[in-house]
Amino acid sequence: DQQVKQNSPSLSVQEGRISILNCDYTNSMFDYFLWYKKYPAEGPTFLISISSIKDKNEDGRFTVFLNKSAKHLSLHIVPSQPGDSAVYFCAATSGGSNYKLTFGKGTLLTVNP
Amino acid sequence: GAGVSQSPSNKVTEKGKDVELRCDPISGHTALYWYRQSLGQGLEFLIYFQGNSAPDKSGLPSDRFSAERTGGSVSTLTIQRTQQEDSAVYLCASSLGPEGYTIYFGEGSWLTVV
Repeated sequence: DQQVKQNSPSLSVQEGRISILNCDYTNSMFDYFLWYKKYPAEGPTFLISISSIKDKNEDGRFTVFLNKSAKHLSLHIVPSQPGDSAVYFCAATSGGSNYKLTFGKGTLLTVNP
Repeated sequence: GAGVSQSPSNKVTEKGKDVELRCDPISGHTALYWYRQSLGQGLEFLIYFQGNSAPDKSGLPSDRFSAERTGGSVSTLTIQRTQQEDSAVYLCASSLGPEGYTIYFGEGSWLTVV
């Protein structure tokens, strides 16, 4: 029973274009969402987060959008750079206890020069 | 050290043997977590420590798994009588506190049970 789903295992984008990574969740109790980026042989690193009281959060080239009614969030990277090539994990938590993250399976983003 | 440090980075063990995985969190971080990632899966929560106590052990998959933390710092995850399904990357993470703080992950310990 996957509560956080990333339905696209991989995504390929041209450098300079927009990358859009999608994530769906089923647990309506989730109220805080995060994106992590992972390079091979490294641990995941925190990228950006959003609280359920917001529908958008922006940090430089990265923007996360949250659609609570659809239980859907997306990460936009613009412009995409080759160094953005990594696995991106969507994660969610509830009740203010952000230690117990529920992760999706990840999406491998490849940005081609 | 600057980041979360885990050892060993790779471990191959025979089915039925016990293994210990070590985590050294970022200095000053009171909260410590263990997650694991099996092949083709997302990260799965195992256990959370606040100081030396573990308020949430709900993710430990069986009683063959245990963890402890001493001195509010180093933690050890022990898997007894390993099974092939235990093969995974075991990731340790830490944060300043459990609420509202960024969680920093280590590079993980790759465990292969043969």
